[in-house]
Amino acid sequence: QKEVEQNSGPLSVPEGAIASLNCTYSDRGSQSFFWYRQYSGKSPELIMSIYSNGDKEDGRFTAQLNKASQYVSLLIRDSQPSDSATYLCAVLHSSASKIIFGSGTRLSIRP
Amino acid sequence: GAGVSQSPSNKVTEKGKDVELRCDPISGHTALYWYRQRLGQGLEFLIYFQGNSAPDKSGLPSDRFSAERTGESVSTLTIQRTQQEDSAVYLCASSARDRGLNTIYFGEGSWLTVV
Repeated sequence: QKEVEQNSGPLSVPEGAIASLNCTYSDRGSQSFFWYRQYSGKSPELIMSIYSNGDKEDGRFTAQLNKASQYVSLLIRDSQPSDSATYLCAVLHSSASKIIFGSGTRLSIRP
Repeated sequence: GAGVSQSPSNKVTEKGKDVELRCDPISGHTALYWYRQRLGQGLEFLIYFQGNSAPDKSGLPSDRFSAERTGESVSTLTIQRTQQEDSAVYLCASSARDRGLNTIYFGEGSWLTVV
């Protein structure tokens, strides 16, 4: 079992709709969770971080964390073509050392 | 500098040669990471440095890979006797690790091609 799992996609969403990206992790002791966006040929950039159960909103983005289910999600409201990218879920290992990344979900927003 | 700086940005090397990749983290960041990303794939953890603690080398794929960091400054990732499978972008990241926050910031990467 991979430590951080994501559907590879591609996930195709019409412009203006809500895109929902999901991630599960295996290390129950993990405390910190991140969503990164990566455009083709570019390095990842941080979108959201979340540390507590529940929802965290920042503009059009909402991160959701459920530690009991070991599940993290990212919702993107009013999706724009510029949101088309690969979204990487990342989890800080309970050893508080390495941050492990999922393989990413490719999101495509169709006009 | 303002961000994580990596060099070289691109490197083409012949199979069997050694390569050295450099990372200059954000000033004041105590934690430094190296990741590898093959074309179309996710980020593969290689090694983690935190201050003067022993590094977490659990992600290094073979003994051809090694990394060093002097204090809380520059890090060098060395790949000996390069193989074509080593072709990838090597990403360095750093974080402040303060107030329990662990947000990491990435450099632009070093694109390695082994021919």
